[in-house]
Amino acid sequence: SQQGEEDPQALSIQEGENATMNCSYKTSINNLQWYRQNSGRGLVHLILIRSNEREKHSGRLRVTLDTSKKSSSLLITASRAADTASYFCATDAEYQGAQKLVFGQGTRLTINP
Amino acid sequence: GAGVSQSPRYKVAKRGQDVALRCDPISGHVSLFWYQQALGQGPEFLTYFQNEAQLDKSGLPSDRFFAERPEGSVSTLKIQRTQQEDSAVYLCASSLGGLETQYFGPGTRLLVL
Repeated sequence: SQQGEEDPQALSIQEGENATMNCSYKTSINNLQWYRQNSGRGLVHLILIRSNEREKHSGRLRVTLDTSKKSSSLLITASRAADTASYFCATDAEYQGAQKLVFGQGTRLTINP
Repeated sequence: GAGVSQSPRYKVAKRGQDVALRCDPISGHVSLFWYQQALGQGPEFLTYFQNEAQLDKSGLPSDRFFAERPEGSVSTLKIQRTQQEDSAVYLCASSLGGLETQYFGPGTRLLVL
């Protein structure tokens, strides 16, 4: 089973708008990562935020982390059609007695031209 | 430079058939991971290698699943006596070490009839 939950499961917006996706997790973490997956492809690493960081930026991406609420958000500003993909959060939590990367179920983002 | 490659990209197997999936990680990457991704879900951890040592195989769903990395580079995931529920995309990822940024291959889509 997966420990992360993304919200919403699906999001459809117009090109140029901002997209916000949320991720909640259950156990304490060392870091949280966001990945993107285009249809039929492997995952691409977007950004990593450590547990002692609250916000991180990379280009049009902004990630926040609230360890007290065990949640993170990914904001994509000025969205483009090429941003259409599924987005997953992943935590390196100690889970079931072993360190492993645990993914959420993902948010399917559609950018309409 | 070359990324992670996987072969075959697609595999159709008859129920009961054995299959072998190959992963070529990025050269020099110590850590190698296998994940199983069902349609519409996030990747689920199967097993983890550090060099040739299989440090965690807790995610392998049954003893029909076996993975190896004998020389600490190429890895093979073998599924014996395939069942329909084994149908999924099998993703391989590698990293310089541990659970930080992972580089994913394109995956092998397995369909068991």
